[in-house]
Amino acid sequence: EAGVAQSPRYKIIEKRQSVAFWCNPISGHATLYWYQQILGQGPKLLIQFQNNGVVDDSQLPKDRFSAERLKGVDSTLKIQPAKLEDSAVYLCASSLDGVGEQFFGPGTRLTVL
Amino acid sequence: GNSVTQMEGPVTLSEEAFLTINCTYTATGYPSLFWYVQYPGEGLQLLLKATKADDKGSNKGFEATYRKETTSFHLEKGSVQVSDSAVYFCALSPLPGSARQLTFGSGTQLTVLP
Repeated sequence: EAGVAQSPRYKIIEKRQSVAFWCNPISGHATLYWYQQILGQGPKLLIQFQNNGVVDDSQLPKDRFSAERLKGVDSTLKIQPAKLEDSAVYLCASSLDGVGEQFFGPGTRLTVL
Repeated sequence: GNSVTQMEGPVTLSEEAFLTINCTYTATGYPSLFWYVQYPGEGLQLLLKATKADDKGSNKGFEATYRKETTSFHLEKGSVQVSDSAVYFCALSPLPGSARQLTFGSGTQLTVLP
């Protein structure tokens, strides 16, 4: 069974530029999560989708971050415009039903210069 | 709010040494507790879990016991291998028996030397 796929794996941009990350969850998983992992810290949940609806986006900085999950499968996370403090690894995870185990992708490492 | 505090790293051990990584938590009610492992260049993987007090989670020689009286979930392994080198994260879900709304600790880097 294929795992959670993310792209790109690495991205370097300058501040005030825009960037987008893509995630393809495990087939059949209804729930999709985006986490931000700053160096030296644990992952922090940004947004959770159930199918194509948002369940929790309370920690998403909505003035610059946006996310969508069209057709309840793939998801895109966008940052516009990026700040230096957005440098982090962005992790995508999925679970079958929002209750059971979360499976994580390898992450996208973003560096903002 | 909910929080997880982990032993600061990095931790460096020789092969076959005994490992303990401390984890304490703050939460109301009866949270579920988890240990995740992150190998270099890979995503987080669930290592073990416990969903109620006095439960012991175990996997790949690692163990952790859910101690409600001390609000702890320390990770242990009797004999570490070089292949155990990774970052270990303690996490909790405030919902019994669930992996929702995870709160993670800051992670502990483990390096095992041959």
